[in-house]
Amino acid sequence: QKEVEQNSGPLSVPEGAIASLNCTYSDRGSQSFFWYRQYSGKSPELIMSIYSNGDKEDGRFTAQLNKASQYVSLLIRDSQPSDSATYLCAVLQPGGGNKLTFGTGTQLKVEL
Amino acid sequence: GAVVSQHPSRVICKSGTSVKIECRSLDFQATTMFWYRQFPKKSLMLMATSNEGSKATYEQGVEKDKFLINHASLTLSTLTVTSAHPEDSSFYICSARDRIRGGNYGYTFGSGTRLTVV
Repeated sequence: QKEVEQNSGPLSVPEGAIASLNCTYSDRGSQSFFWYRQYSGKSPELIMSIYSNGDKEDGRFTAQLNKASQYVSLLIRDSQPSDSATYLCAVLQPGGGNKLTFGTGTQLKVEL
Repeated sequence: GAVVSQHPSRVICKSGTSVKIECRSLDFQATTMFWYRQFPKKSLMLMATSNEGSKATYEQGVEKDKFLINHASLTLSTLTVTSAHPEDSSFYICSARDRIRGGNYGYTFGSGTRLTVV
């Protein structure tokens, strides 16, 4: 069973702080990793993708990948109340019919 | 950017009736579309994968005769919930894989359909 695991939270951070979201995956052959944000009652929207070990930055978001540890993370700097949402980690299954396997998501709450 | 249009956004139907949900890729060709359902405060559950011009592949435990999927063109896939029952009430979401960009850029999701069966 290919799995993607996340802490369900909620993770509460004060406005302006750094939010750190973590994800582990079981299939060592996985190569492509994604972070989606989902607001309540809405569909997921892609915010970051990462394929190589190391960091990838896009504005206030930084994705980190460590394939040896099978670990992906998302950092949100200067967190805003509008960042409050559920963040889903997704892994593209290698040779698995192009399917994405999603984690259960981490609920982030940014407090004023 | 890539846009997937999903309709309807909300539908209420009587038990025993059928409901059709459409997903269209507006500015790209989607060789593959994925259909998910999501219960409140739960993650996405993949129901089936549809490839243009071929039969859909259903995940284990998903009834193919109840959830009919058609992917007749590179821009349109439909999910029909047949003989709907209250337990089918859920949030249904499609996502599309761009024929040219493939999967490494992530998949674009439709806006979702909130189905309520009464």
